[in-house]
Amino acid sequence: GAGVSQTPSNKVTEKGKYVELRCDPISGHTALYWYRQSLGQGPEFLIYFQGTGAADDSGLPNDRFFAVRPEGSVSTLKIQRTERGDSAVYLCASSLGAAGTSTGELFFGEGSRLTVL
Amino acid sequence: ELKVEQNPLFLSMQEGKNYTIYCNYSTTSDRLYWYRQDPGKSLESLFVLLSNGAVKQEGRLMASLDTKARLSTLHITAAVHDLSATYFCAVDMIGGGSNYKLTFGKGTLLTVNP
Repeated sequence: GAGVSQTPSNKVTEKGKYVELRCDPISGHTALYWYRQSLGQGPEFLIYFQGTGAADDSGLPNDRFFAVRPEGSVSTLKIQRTERGDSAVYLCASSLGAAGTSTGELFFGEGSRLTVL
Repeated sequence: ELKVEQNPLFLSMQEGKNYTIYCNYSTTSDRLYWYRQDPGKSLESLFVLLSNGAVKQEGRLMASLDTKARLSTLHITAAVHDLSATYFCAVDMIGGGSNYKLTFGKGTLLTVNP
C-alpha cells in the first residue's frame, strides 16, 4: 500500500488478556517506530527499529510490552496481561532512512485503538 | 526530562482571522516538528525546523523557530474551515539529529467556524 498500515484499527479486550498489534510500513522503509497516544495527550515514544533490531526500546513502559520485526519489514507490538491503563491509540511510523538522516522523515499510520475493559 | 508545552490547547476562531499557536520546550534542541492530525487519521508532517531563525510557510500556515528562547510558533493567516484539526509540535529528545525519539506537546485543537 501507499502508506503505513496498522491492524486492527480497533481492539477491545478484557483485562489480563494478551494482545498483538501489527504494523506494515511503507515498502522499502528501513526504520520503524512505535508511539502511544493516550486521550488528550501527544504521542509518546515506545520503541525504534532499524532493520530487524530494536535500536532503542527505552520507551516501553514495562516488561509486559514487547515488539518484534523479524524480517525487517512488518512489526508486531505485543502486550501481555493487559491493564486498563494500557488503553490508548498505538501509532506506528516508518522512515526511508535511519533516524537523524536526511531521509529520516517519519510517516505515521492511522493507529490501532486499544480498549481494555 | 524534556517537556514540550503548547498553548492554547483549544482554539476556536472565525474564518478569515489570524492566530498563533505557541510551542515552548525545556531543553536544548535543534529540531522542531509540526504535525497535523484529523480525527481518526494519521499524523501528517507539516514542517521541520532545523535551525535558529528558521521560517517555513505552506499556504496559510507559517512556522518559525527561536532556539535561544526555546520557542516555536505556528501562525495561521486568514483561517479557513479546512484548517480545523489538532496541531502538535514535537521536539527531538536526543541531540545530534536523532529524530525518532520525539517528545510531543499535548496538541492544539483548532476549530475554524464559518
